[in-house]
Amino acid sequence: DQQVKQNSPSLSVQEGRISILNCDYTNSMFDYFLWYKKYPAEGPTFLISISSIKDKNEDGRFTVFLNKSAKHLSLHIVPSQPGDSAVYFCAASALEAGKSTFGDGTTLTVKP
Amino acid sequence: DTGVSQDPRHKITKRGQNVTFRCDPISEHNRLYWYRQTLGQGPEFLTYFQNEAQLEKSRLLSDRFSAERPKGSFSTLEIQRTEQGDSAMYLCASSLAGRYEQFFGPGTRLTVL
Repeated sequence: DQQVKQNSPSLSVQEGRISILNCDYTNSMFDYFLWYKKYPAEGPTFLISISSIKDKNEDGRFTVFLNKSAKHLSLHIVPSQPGDSAVYFCAASALEAGKSTFGDGTTLTVKP
Repeated sequence: DTGVSQDPRHKITKRGQNVTFRCDPISEHNRLYWYRQTLGQGPEFLTYFQNEAQLEKSRLLSDRFSAERPKGSFSTLEIQRTEQGDSAMYLCASSLAGRYEQFFGPGTRLTVL
């Protein structure tokens, strides 16, 4: 049973437009959510996170929204840039559980 | 560079052989994690340490897998009697206890022939 799901394997957007990546989770014990970005031949890199007590967190061009009642979060990138092209992983953690549970990723392609 | 390092980056072995991977975390990080990633999937948790103590081990981890962090610094992951299904990218990450964000190494790609 996959507890974190990213239902869109890929997304293509035009440079300058908004990219919206979605993630759903099933475990109500998750209290912290993270997005990681991965380029080929590199490990994932932490991008942005949100605690379950918040519904929005913003960092520059990146904003994460959390809808706890729907068990859904999204990552907004605006404006999108070609350098944002990468695989984006959604991850979730439970209180002091240590480990993170990852989705299968969404490959974002930003076209010039 | 003070990031997480892993060695080797690539390993090709024959089925039945033993392999060992090494991970050097960020020096001040007391937590160290091992994940496995196969094509088209996200990282899958294997085990993690806080200092030298192994706090959790995935039930998916068979008895052929063992991990150590003897002095609370670097860690090794050993796979005994490798099988073709073990072929994957093995990722190591580290963090500070109480912090959720993890810092990943570049991974070790294992191919079992």
